[in-house]
Amino acid sequence: DIQMTQSPSSLSASVGDRVTITCRASQSISSYVNWYQQKSGKAPKLLIYAASSLQSGVPSRFSGSGSGTDFTLTISSLQPEDFATYYCQQSYSTPPTFGQGTKVEIK
Amino acid sequence: EVQLVESGGGLVQPGGSLRLSCAASGFTFSSYWMHWVRQAPGKGLVWVSRIKSDGTSTTYADSVKGRFTISRDNAKKTLYMQMNSLRAEDTAVYYCARDRHCGGDCYTTDFDSWGQGTLVTVSS
Repeated sequence: DIQMTQSPSSLSASVGDRVTITCRASQSISSYVNWYQQKSGKAPKLLIYAASSLQSGVPSRFSGSGSGTDFTLTISSLQPEDFATYYCQQSYSTPPTFGQGTKVEIK
Repeated sequence: EVQLVESGGGLVQPGGSLRLSCAASGFTFSSYWMHWVRQAPGKGLVWVSRIKSDGTSTTYADSVKGRFTISRDNAKKTLYMQMNSLRAEDTAVYYCARDRHCGGDCYTTDFDSWGQGTLVTVSS
C-alpha cells in the first residue's frame, strides 16, 4: 500500500494567514492526489482533486500543487470557517490511502 | 442537490453482523461508482470498499475481505454493506461516498460527495 505522510500534524494560525500543508507519498503517484476538509463531527468535503483542480463550489483561496511524491495544499488567507482537519489521499492505486490529517487551529 | 443518507449502524457484539444502507438522491445513482470509507473514533480515514455503477465489480480492503460484502440496488438508489464476523477494530463511523464521475466504466477514487455517516460499535 502507498503511505501518505502529512506535515505538520497540527498547526496554529490566525485569520488572514497563509497556510501550507504538505503531503509526501511513499512512491511516485503522478498527480493522483486529493485534498479533503473535515470539520468536527462532520463528513469530509473534497477540496482539490488531481493535485491542483479546484472542486466546484470551493473558494479560490484553496489551491493545490505538486507531482510525483510531494504535494502541497495552500490556503492563501485563512478564514474562520477554515479551522478544520485536512487530509490528503492518493487515488493512484488500490487501496486508496489517506494521510493522517493536519489539524488547523486558531492561534 | 446530491444527498447520501446512511443508516443501520448500532451496537453489536464481536462476531455479530450488521447491514448498513446508504440512500442516494439528487443524481443518477446508477451512473456512479460508490464507496464505503470508515473512521475510527479520533482517527483518520480508511477506505473500505467500492462497487461499480452496475454492481458487477467489487473491491475490498484486506482488513475486511471475506467478512464484508458491498452491494447496490439501482432501482432503489441504495448502497449496502453487509458486515459479518465483526471485530472490535471495526468500530468506526462508516461513510458512503460517491466517486467523481469520469464517464463510461472508469472510476477516479475521488470522493466528491459524502453521507453524514453511521456509527458502528463492536463491543461486548
